Amino acid sequence: AQSVTQLDSQVPVFEEAPVELRCNYSSSVSVYLFWYVQYPNQGLQLLLKYLSGSTLVESINGFEAEFNKSQTSFHLRKPSVHISDTAEYFCAVSAGGTSYGKLTFGQGTILTVHP
Amino acid sequence: ETGVTQTPRHLVMGMTNKKSLKCEQHLGHNAMYWYKQSAKKPLELMFVYNFKEQTENNSVPSRFSPECPNSSHLFLHLHTLQPEDSALYLCASSQGDPFGTDTQYFGPGTRLTVL
Repeated sequence: AQSVTQLDSQVPVFEEAPVELRCNYSSSVSVYLFWYVQYPNQGLQLLLKYLSGSTLVESINGFEAEFNKSQTSFHLRKPSVHISDTAEYFCAVSAGGTSYGKLTFGQGTILTVHP
Repeated sequence: ETGVTQTPRHLVMGMTNKKSLKCEQHLGHNAMYWYKQSAKKPLELMFVYNFKEQTENNSVPSRFSPECPNSSHLFLHLHTLQPEDSALYLCASSQGDPFGTDTQYFGPGTRLTVL
């Protein structure tokens, strides 16, 4: 079985500051890792995912995450945030194998960007 | 309509009522999912359908009954719910990769309140 821990439930930052949202996972098998974002009154949408290859993955809006197998982490970072990045961010893990899309989610981190 | 749509967006029901939630995807996907999102809890996967066949039932109480008549439509039939069932119910779809690498596309959710 898999589990995901997001270490911070809320992260307040000022605009143009850097941010890191932390995610740790546990699994007895190889995993695929995802970050989803949920803006107010909307469903979740994929931000980025790690499947294989380079351990650093990037999104189109400046976020990046690094898969660290030894530390079982997949932290999300952005060097300079905008007001529009205010949202709830979810880390998720898929066990691969024949998991048929069964994702295990963390509890979410609410990122609030202040002017 | 594009993406994943859900109706109704808001639903208030009594404990003795019977209602249904509807989800429709316009993405040509083969897998559909129901999730429950409660405050301060991780997203809970409820059901997974692949090619109209249920492949996951995550120990969901029988008062929730899913139906998938075709790959584009998914229903969640509700009866004799409890107040603790109040939550945001999210539908998602994906291509249906059995190895768990899929991106899931979420609808905006139905906000359910059980009185």
